[in-house]
Amino acid sequence: DIVMTQSPDSLAVSLGERATITCKSSQTILSSSNNQNYLAWYQQRPGHPPRLLFYWASTRASGVPDRFSGSGSGTDFTLTISSLQAEDVAVYYCQQYFSTRALTFGGGTKVEIK
Amino acid sequence: QLQLQESGPGLVKPSETLSLICTVSGGSINSRNHYWAWIRQSPGKGLEWIASISYIESTYFNPSLKSRVTISIDTSKDHFSLSLKSVTAADTAVYFCAREIFTASYFDSWGQGALVAVSS
Repeated sequence: DIVMTQSPDSLAVSLGERATITCKSSQTILSSSNNQNYLAWYQQRPGHPPRLLFYWASTRASGVPDRFSGSGSGTDFTLTISSLQAEDVAVYYCQQYFSTRALTFGGGTKVEIK
Repeated sequence: QLQLQESGPGLVKPSETLSLICTVSGGSINSRNHYWAWIRQSPGKGLEWIASISYIESTYFNPSLKSRVTISIDTSKDHFSLSLKSVTAADTAVYFCAREIFTASYFDSWGQGALVAVSS
């Protein structure tokens, strides 16, 4: 299985400040056939199901504010919230879909207000 | 707007079979562009994909759970189902159903989740 490792486990950021979450895969999830990174990001607010934020590592899902951005390639990826808002308090997960017979998620990063 | 809703018993005894149904509304389960998936989240833990099925009953499974899992679909009733046999306390979790993109297995729509506890 491809292991997805997120860091940090949690972070506290002041309102309006930047939050950065990293996700590392145990092997490349960049396809040589289409030059796409097979990575998605999700946001899970307390008491809610996960919500898709990004796919193909950096393609923003419908309705996702542009203060959120996804970047990275190969094995190293980043989710950035450029100006943290109160409604961004959540746990964020990455997920690889390169290995389609063994889909795996990262362990999650909890974002709180400082 | 697509909606998915999980239903089933909230309590299952150890060694028995956990069974859940996901009802799809506001969209077609007969979609060649999607798979339909089950994902679980143990209390305080992360997400674990369980299995996926297409409208033509093509399936694939998490290797770690495959021996205990059955997934099925009933397109006439717009629902798909999960069975997990021989459960233990480790199977206590919130079980989510989700829509999966066929050409790229990420999940673009999720149900609210159903908490299933395994306890005698």
